[in-house]
Amino acid sequence: NAGVTQTPKFRILKIGQSMTLQCTQDMNHNYMYWYRQDPGMGLKLIYYSVGAGITDKGEVPNGYNVSRSTTEDFPLRLELAAPSQTSVYFCASSYGDRENYGYTFGSGTRLTVV
Amino acid sequence: GENVEQHPSTLSVQEGDSAVIKCTYSDSASNYFPWYKQELGKRPQLIIDIRSNVGEKKDQRIAVTLNKTAKHFSLHITETQPEDSAVYFCAASNRGTGGFKTIFGAGTRLFVKA
Repeated sequence: NAGVTQTPKFRILKIGQSMTLQCTQDMNHNYMYWYRQDPGMGLKLIYYSVGAGITDKGEVPNGYNVSRSTTEDFPLRLELAAPSQTSVYFCASSYGDRENYGYTFGSGTRLTVV
Repeated sequence: GENVEQHPSTLSVQEGDSAVIKCTYSDSASNYFPWYKQELGKRPQLIIDIRSNVGEKKDQRIAVTLNKTAKHFSLHITETQPEDSAVYFCAASNRGTGGFKTIFGAGTRLFVKA
């Protein structure tokens, strides 16, 4: 199992540009999440999904969009990038309906908006 | 809204000493309490977890305790080693009617001095 795979690992965007952060998991987890982590800070939930075709907002959804067309993939879309979106983005997945609810995180995408 | 408070924000110990990190949660429906370790520049990784029907769980040098009445849970690391230096996050989770919800603490930066 590859676990949770995120691409790209690094990206520099100019203000106003758009991009999609890719996330895929091969553990058949039904729950997937996107978090952002600002320098020296904790994890803030952007969006999450409890299954294919279902998504919901987290704490900080503004400026982002997601889709979940398959169990495996959960891309995060940034439209009109702003400097405030400079952060490290982590995708995670878990079993939402079993005894073990622990998350598996991807390796992160470090995004800089200039 | 629900939150998880984590203390201390920074902890420095001598190699071989014990380290204790404490968390308090507000949502009484929380029933799963994981701990994650994040080394510098790496992804958070689940190191230990505890469910609400258990008061204590141990795995080699790390242990977690849970007091549901007081809504407190703690991480204990004994015989600390330099490789224990990292940021540790606690979290409280519950599976409610709206789906699965996890709230993270702000993190504790642990330094283990050789």
